[in-house]
Amino acid sequence: SYELTQPLSVSVALGQTARITCGGNDIGSKNVHWYQQKPGQAPVLVIYRDSNRPSGIPERFSGSNSGNTATLTISRAQTGDEADYYCQVWDSSTVFGTGTKVTVL
Amino acid sequence: QVTLKESGPVLVKPTETLTLTCTVSGFSLSNPRMGVSWIRQPPGKALEWLAHIFSNDEKSYSTSLKSRLTISKDTSKSQVVLTMTNMDPVDTATYYCARIDILTGYSHDYWGQGTLVTVSS
Repeated sequence: SYELTQPLSVSVALGQTARITCGGNDIGSKNVHWYQQKPGQAPVLVIYRDSNRPSGIPERFSGSNSGNTATLTISRAQTGDEADYYCQVWDSSTVFGTGTKVTVL
Repeated sequence: QVTLKESGPVLVKPTETLTLTCTVSGFSLSNPRMGVSWIRQPPGKALEWLAHIFSNDEKSYSTSLKSRLTISKDTSKSQVVLTMTNMDPVDTATYYCARIDILTGYSHDYWGQGTLVTVSS
């Protein structure tokens, strides 16, 4: 079965840029989606199909996907961006990444 | 306005069968563009996809839980039902239903609030 690997945690200074990776075999050939989950809340879609933002998601969130790694980038990080982030692909069914906790220092 | 809402027991005993219902509004379960997933999250752990169903009744299950899961839908009631047999304390988790949008590459664009199910005697 297909597997997605994320770093356990990422720290970023306030106002700086955070990059969260999602590794998978030839992930560049798949559509990658990213979700933000704050404590006690349901996940929220922040990027779909590699680099598209749903309505209402700030432009500070961007995504890229190539080769064996997809990346979610959070620019000008804010304290409100502290959350768990999950990548997801479709491989005949849904596959979620292992999740990354983002801390804004 | 698209909404999904999970309902079901908050507490089940080991070996019992769990039945969860996802009631949707703002879209139809007969829409060929849409599907519904069930996803769970044990306390402090990652998301785990369980099952999905689409408008044409195409279903799929997590390989590791396939023998215990059944997903179905009632389009007239706008409900998707998940049953999980032989519940165990390790199945304690928040269970979510979420809408799948095929045209966005099978992203989950709307989620329910989740329902915490505890398995304990």
